[in-house]
Amino acid sequence: EIVLTQSPGTLSLSPGERATLSCRASQSVSSNYLAWYQQKPGQAPRLVIYGVFSRATGIPDRFSGSGSGTDFTLTISRLEPEDFAVYYCQQYGSSPLYTFGQGTKLEI
Amino acid sequence: EVQLVQSGAEVKKPGESLKISCKGSGYSFSNYWIGWVRQMPGKGLEWMGIIYPGDSETRYSPSFQGQVTISADKSISTAYLQWSSLKASDSAMFFCVRQRGSSPYFDYWGQGSLVTVSS
Repeated sequence: EIVLTQSPGTLSLSPGERATLSCRASQSVSSNYLAWYQQKPGQAPRLVIYGVFSRATGIPDRFSGSGSGTDFTLTISRLEPEDFAVYYCQQYGSSPLYTFGQGTKLEI
Repeated sequence: EVQLVQSGAEVKKPGESLKISCKGSGYSFSNYWIGWVRQMPGKGLEWMGIIYPGDSETRYSPSFQGQVTISADKSISTAYLQWSSLKASDSAMFFCVRQRGSSPYFDYWGQGSLVTVSS
């Protein structure tokens, strides 16, 4: 089983600043099947980044993804107030087919 | 517009059975995998299993195999998650999700169904 470890657990920043969220896998993620989701309180998660680099529909270009193998990063270049949320990384691969990281809370 | 609409909140007693639903619309329901994700109170996301409504092929996370049953009725574009005997530890929010075509990501999420199991 691939375990995804996200860091930091909580990231405290201000609007306009740059956010860097990390996701580390215990084994190499196959075919770069790595995604990021955003979840705001009381809402369902929303797909932000898929295939490591690709932005999902409607996601602004201040969001970017990078990485390969076991180390992945979600970067938000200039934080807007609506970006403060919990972010989860997710991989697809061996059993279980899909696993999520434990989440990073991005707070003001 | 693609939508996944889930059934409402449930309050059950330990030992009772439960079946929650997820109705898809705005796309060809039979041709996209539908999964279920658990979120316990204040916790992260856990993938439970997934079904292909076209042929009902189903895959489970080892953590949930034997604990729940996932099914689908393509004639009414609805997927289901069911328990035969609930435990207090089953209390959580459950989301249905659509897999993004052949790519293993979840591009649409239902609004969530809150299940509370308490005596």
